[in-house]
Amino acid sequence: DAKTTQPPSMDCAEGRAANLPCNHSTISGNEYVYWYRQIHSQGPQYIIHGLKNNETNEMASLIITEDRKSSTLILPHATLRDTAVYYCIVSSGAGSYQLTFGKGTKLSVIP
Amino acid sequence: DTAVSQTPKYLVTQMGNDKSIKCEQNLGHDTMYWYKQDSKKFLKIMFSYNNKELIINETVPNRFSPKSPDKAHLNLHINSLELGDSAVYFCASSPEWGSEAFFGQGTRLTVV
Repeated sequence: DAKTTQPPSMDCAEGRAANLPCNHSTISGNEYVYWYRQIHSQGPQYIIHGLKNNETNEMASLIITEDRKSSTLILPHATLRDTAVYYCIVSSGAGSYQLTFGKGTKLSVIP
Repeated sequence: DTAVSQTPKYLVTQMGNDKSIKCEQNLGHDTMYWYKQDSKKFLKIMFSYNNKELIINETVPNRFSPKSPDKAHLNLHINSLELGDSAVYFCASSPEWGSEAFFGQGTRLTVV
């Protein structure tokens, strides 16, 4: 079972920042937070991951709270192509059942 | 070049048949996975495979078996197909266990 909770859906206006929240209150010290997205009929796509510090790459930024119990994925300028289901996952990389996906957040970017 | 490729993309077959789905990755990754996405869109891991060590999700029926001829390939073989096996199956790979994974485009299996 997934260890994260996310809102089932969100809307965002095109060109605005999309802020997708995730709660992972039971995260343990060695677990990373990963974000993936799945555009309709495609395979999931890796976006970003982090442990404690905030992270940024060419796709998004990841803000992790100091207690690590929640995080926010930020898409700085959402486009219509960002419409997808976004999954927040915690993983320790220890060889157990990894990357168990929950229900995710359906993000709809509106023109 | 496609990083993780699966074949076929679509597979329609009758109950009771045996079928295989092939997966190849050209990323040089050490770990490969098979996931199943059901009609409710839940994505669940079935197997993870790393250096000949296989970890199996205990909820997966033993009719499903992964076969790895080499590090770049992890094929999924399914015996005695059932209606409930209809789903989209995704192959993925990662540099190491539990790190960022790269997924194939999926194989839509329909059992009739």
